[in-house]
Amino acid sequence: TQLLEQSPQFLSIQEGENLTVYCNSSSVFSSLQWYRQEPGEGPVLLVTVVTGGEVKKLKRLTFQFGDARKDSSLHITAAQPGDTGLYLCAGLKTSGSRLTFGEGTQLTVNP
Amino acid sequence: GAGVSQSPSNKVTEKGKDVELRCDPISGHTALYWYRQRLGQGLEFLIYFQGNSAPDKSGLPSDRFSAERTGESVSTLTIQRTQQEDSAVYLCATGGGARQPQHFGDGTRLSIL
Repeated sequence: TQLLEQSPQFLSIQEGENLTVYCNSSSVFSSLQWYRQEPGEGPVLLVTVVTGGEVKKLKRLTFQFGDARKDSSLHITAAQPGDTGLYLCAGLKTSGSRLTFGEGTQLTVNP
Repeated sequence: GAGVSQSPSNKVTEKGKDVELRCDPISGHTALYWYRQRLGQGLEFLIYFQGNSAPDKSGLPSDRFSAERTGESVSTLTIQRTQQEDSAVYLCATGGGARQPQHFGDGTRLSIL
């Protein structure tokens, strides 16, 4: 059983389109992180959200943490080919020291 | 360098051989994690070291897997009697503390023939 469910698993869109990636769980997390991973490289941290309902923006990327701290979303506006990559969400339980990762969303933005 | 360094970057070996993967952490990072990532999938936790505390080995898939770390220095992940299902990318991440952001190396791509 996957603790963190990401959807969609694959997404292929045209440059300029908008998209949303979802990360859902039945568990409560003290914080949730989003990473982006490119082929042959390790994941790179994009953002950490810690407060229920929190919204963070990183240029064209908007991250939201659910009010109950069980889910999160990543919205990309006007996607560009450089946004292509594997997007991973990872949650940190209230008691615990290690992250639980979702299976990832493979995003391809076509020029 | 300033980042997490892993070696080798690629390793191809025959089934049944032992392999040793290395992770050089960012200086001063007390937390060190090993993950396994199968093709196109998320990260599977293997083991976690925090300073001189006993490691959390709860993610190791079998007794063929082991890892060592002395203090805040280099860590090695050893897989004995490798099997084809061990083929994956093995990622190391380090952090400033138990619940601090993790910084990843680029991984070791392990292929078992």
